[in-house]
Parts: sequence; structure tokens; C-alpha cells
Amino acid sequence: NAGVMQNPRHLVRRRGQEARLRCSPVKGHSHVYWYRQLPEEGLKFMVYLQKENIIDESGMPKERFSAEFPKEGPSILRIQQVVRGDSAAYFCASSPAGGAGNEQFFGPGTRLTVL
Amino acid sequence: DQQVKQNSPSLSVQEGRISILNCDYTNSMFDYFLWYKKYPAEGPTFLISISSIKDKNEDGRFTVFLNKSAKHLSLHIVPSQPGDSAVYFCAARSYGNKLVFGAGTILRVKS
Repeated sequence: NAGVMQNPRHLVRRRGQEARLRCSPVKGHSHVYWYRQLPEEGLKFMVYLQKENIIDESGMPKERFSAEFPKEGPSILRIQQVVRGDSAAYFCASSPAGGAGNEQFFGPGTRLTVL
Repeated sequence: DQQVKQNSPSLSVQEGRISILNCDYTNSMFDYFLWYKKYPAEGPTFLISISSIKDKNEDGRFTVFLNKSAKHLSLHIVPSQPGDSAVYFCAARSYGNKLVFGAGTILRVKS
């Protein structure tokens, strides 16, 4: 009965490199959300996906960031050409299909450090 | 544009007493409110929620109160235990299922 899994837990990248963050939702959940937490702040919504569809990406920066949730496999948050300001904790959450969506289960997060 | 505010960065309470964490919001379109608890280096854990059509929801030691006219909600923990020490986030559900979080309140329960 695994919860939301994220990997890696810690990721270090140099400026200009790419970061790939993975999220496996709770088994049976088909809704995935990505949030970012900067130091001393709350979590900020980035993107909401269902299988093979982006439902809402209003919180995603327009450049360098992309997300996908393929039919098979984990959801991926991709950050190209990382900059120091991308250093943060990135959390993935999932909720069941057809549910009210009010209860989102969170993973342990990936802590990205950009040198 | 902070739509959800937790104005107390920290709160310290004696074990066995009541902890009251507060949250204010500005958007009257929010339809669900949730409280999450977070330990360092872990993800937020869901605690309790309340629909905007209710004014109270209770689950064991945790009770959430919603005052829609004041756009205010609070989380009561009774009795407080040392294991409750964590960061507590208030969140509100906006359109499209996305959650809007407050900045969090650090709760310390002293034994």
C-alpha cells in the first residue's frame, strides 16, 4: 500500500544542466499535482495532470519547465538549463480519479540544489 | 497576492493544553479548506478538511472551524502532545483542484 513516491530525494545540478524529477502516484490515482516550496514559504502550485493530459499549468514558469504524466510510468517534472533560483523542494501529490479531489496525498519531495 | 495567510509564524503550547492555529483567506470562491502537518525533510500529511458549506468538522483530537463571513478558519488540537510538534499548513482548494497554501505555522508542544 505504497504512498506517493518521489525520486531522487536529493538532486544537485550545476547551472545550465537539466533536472528530472520523478513521481509515482498512489496506486490507482490518476491525478497528479506538482508543487514547489521555497525556503520559509508555503507550497506553490505548479501543474495538475491526468494521464496523458495537462489539466492546469497556470503555476508553471513559461520557460524551461515542463511536466508530463504518460500512460505508463511516473510523472516527470523537467527543468532545463537550471538556475540558482530553481533551488527548492519539489513535492508531488496525487488524488483518485473521480474523487472530490479535496484530499491530495503528498510524496516526500525532491530537494533540488543548483550550484 | 497572498490568498491564504497564516499570520503566526510559530506557536508554543504546553503538553495537554489546547493548540489553536489560525488561517485567513481572501478568495470567497474557495470551496474546501484543508490542514496539513509537515515534519522536516518529509512531505505534508493530510490532517483534516472542511467544506465551505459547513462550519465545523471534528476528527479525534483535531477540530477545524470555519467562519465564512470573517473568511477565517482555525485548527484546534486538544489535548496537545509533543508528537504534534511540526509545521502546520492551511490550504484552500481553488478551481481545477489546485491547492493554495499559507506559509505555515511552527507548532512546538513542550512536555
